[in-house]
Amino acid sequence: KNQVEQSPQSLIILEGKNCTLQCNYTVSPFSNLRWYKQDTGRGPVSLTIMTFSENTKSNGRYTATLDADTKQSSLHITASQLSDSASYICVVSISNTNAGKSTFGDGTTLTVKP
Amino acid sequence: EAGVTQSPTHLIKTRGQQATLRCSPISGHTSVYWYQQALGLGLQFLLWYDEGEERNRGNFPPRFSGRQFPNYSSELNVNALELEDSALYLCASSFQGTYGYTFGSGTRLTVV
Repeated sequence: KNQVEQSPQSLIILEGKNCTLQCNYTVSPFSNLRWYKQDTGRGPVSLTIMTFSENTKSNGRYTATLDADTKQSSLHITASQLSDSASYICVVSISNTNAGKSTFGDGTTLTVKP
Repeated sequence: EAGVTQSPTHLIKTRGQQATLRCSPISGHTSVYWYQQALGLGLQFLLWYDEGEERNRGNFPPRFSGRQFPNYSSELNVNALELEDSALYLCASSFQGTYGYTFGSGTRLTVV
């Protein structure tokens, strides 16, 4: 069964600190992995998209890494801000032409405190 | 460029009624996806439409249905509403089923 597991489930950090969120998957065959940020009550917003051949991608203070051999990805947030408080969702797809079969993780809820 | 738009933003219905949610994809996108997100839980895949046809369906009962129109906009219909249908319903679009999803802001459905 294709699965995406995220850890930790929730995380509280102080403003200005760094943090790393984890995503482990068993989806196969792998096509791409996406990280989304979802503010409460809003739709998810794409942060990064990585294919099999990419092992790191940055978007401002967000850096995602991918190890396709171990089927692990991480999202590193640098110098956290209060606005980073949100749910971060890892999504893995099996192929470009079957995007409807993407598997979503349950997300990590990040709270940044002043 | 306008993003994915969903309407209404909020909807309150009584148990047993029907709800209709609407989604307009980004211009040029042919695929529309529907997801249900109950409070505090992850996204659950509902339906995928591409070029007017249903391509894939999640593990939901038949009272969840939808359609895609020739202009690629889409409707999600939920019949015989139950209390547990209360959730945020998210629509996303992409070009020809590729992985470049863009989500709308969602419709918050409350069943009382």
